[in-house]
Amino acid sequence: GENVEQHPSTLSVQEGDSAVIKCTYSDSASNYFPWYKQELGKRPQLIIDIRSNVGEKKDQRIAVTLNKTAKHFSLHITETQPEDSAVYFCAATASGYSTLTFGKGTMLLVSP
Amino acid sequence: GAGVSQTPSNKVTEKGKYVELRCDPISGHTALYWYRQSLGQGPEFLIYFQGTGAADDSGLPNDRFFAVRPEGSVSTLKIQRTERGDSAVYLCASSSDLSGAYNEQFFGPGTRLTVL
Repeated sequence: GENVEQHPSTLSVQEGDSAVIKCTYSDSASNYFPWYKQELGKRPQLIIDIRSNVGEKKDQRIAVTLNKTAKHFSLHITETQPEDSAVYFCAATASGYSTLTFGKGTMLLVSP
Repeated sequence: GAGVSQTPSNKVTEKGKYVELRCDPISGHTALYWYRQSLGQGPEFLIYFQGTGAADDSGLPNDRFFAVRPEGSVSTLKIQRTERGDSAVYLCASSSDLSGAYNEQFFGPGTRLTVL
């Protein structure tokens, strides 16, 4: 089955800096890669996703890149703000209806 | 409309007891997923329903775990003879059934299960 590795496990940045979180996956059939943000004690919420026919996608301060050859994808957050502090999870799936395999998460701490 | 809801929000039980966890998906969503999230980990897949049937139950850890969705809406996750290792947050998610599309999974707030 699919295996998703996520790094780093924790990331501390100063407000205004950029943050990058990286994930690798094992199943070459995977073709949908969402990123979820989970604040303490809250439910995971989708922040951005990318499909395998696209190499990069941007939404305001967040962007995701995908390298299918290398089987890795990354989340980029620019101009970080304290409210970006949360745990971020990457995930992968091989079809639109299938289950998601999640990474272990990255705790992002943005200091004012 | 309302999002995915789960009850109870917290459940404390004793080892060996039986528990039921309930999930109300977003109205009209035909796909429903159960995940388990242990402290410091990502959600781990348990079972996936498409309508009333379990399309994939490969994530259920053993036969103490069972889930139903008799009318294609509300789902109940049932755990028999609970063990301390079952302690975790149980998350439910639902998504719409749009053929050919990649459908966002909307998560509920979870049920925190503690087995003493």
